[in-house]
Amino acid sequence: QAVVTQEPSLTVSPGGTVTLTCASSTGAVSSGHYPHWLQQKPGQAPRTLIYDTTKKHSETPARFSGSLLGAKAALTLSGAQPEDEAEYYCLLSYSGARVFGGGTKLTVL
Amino acid sequence: QVQLQESGPGLVKPSQTLSLTCTVSGGSISSGAYYWTWIRQRPGKGLEWIGYTYYNGRAYYNPSLRSRITTSVDTSKNQFSLQVNSVTAADTAVYYCARGLMYWGQGTLVTVSS
Repeated sequence: QAVVTQEPSLTVSPGGTVTLTCASSTGAVSSGHYPHWLQQKPGQAPRTLIYDTTKKHSETPARFSGSLLGAKAALTLSGAQPEDEAEYYCLLSYSGARVFGGGTKLTVL
Repeated sequence: QVQLQESGPGLVKPSQTLSLTCTVSGGSISSGAYYWTWIRQRPGKGLEWIGYTYYNGRAYYNPSLRSRITTSVDTSKNQFSLQVNSVTAADTAVYYCARGLMYWGQGTLVTVSS
C-alpha cells in the first residue's frame, strides 16, 4: 500500500502565507490521484477544503487553494487567520483505493 | 442539505463484530452520482480510510482491513452500514460516515474492550 507523506507540523504568522505538501511513495503526485485536502479541528469531524487537486467546496474560504507543486500536491493558505489553526490531511486515490497522509498540524502564531 | 448520522454500539467485546449504520437525510442514497464512505480515527491519531461503496454494492476497501470488512447499502431505509469482524483494541476509534468526502456525520466512538 502506498504511503502518503505530509509535514508533521508548520507554523504561520497571522496574515501570512504557508504551503502544505503531500507526497506519494509511488512517485510524483498527479491529477490522477485526485488530491483532496481536509481540515480537522479538535473535537470536530473533518471537512473537505479542496478536492480533485484544485476544486473548492462551496464553503471553503477563498484564502485556501490547491495545486500541484513539483512532484507533490500542495495546499496554500494565503492570509492565515487564527481560526485556520487545525490539522490538515491530504488524501490520494490509487485506482479506487484511498490513502490519507499522516496530517500536518498547522499553528497560527 | 445532506445530513448523515452514525449509530451503533459504543462498546464491543474483543473478537466480536462491530456494526455501524449511517442514516442519510436530505438526499437519496440511490443516487449513482455518489459513493458512501467510512473513515475512522484512533484516539490521538490521524484519519484512516476504511472504504466506500456505491448504492449498487460496488465497493473499495482498505487493503489492510479488507479481510475483516463488509459494507452494505439499504436503499429502502436510506442507510448504509459497516461491519468489522474479529475486532481488537486496535479497532477502537471514532468512526465517521460520509457522502463521498463532502458531507460527514459527526462521528461515533466505538471502544473495543471486555
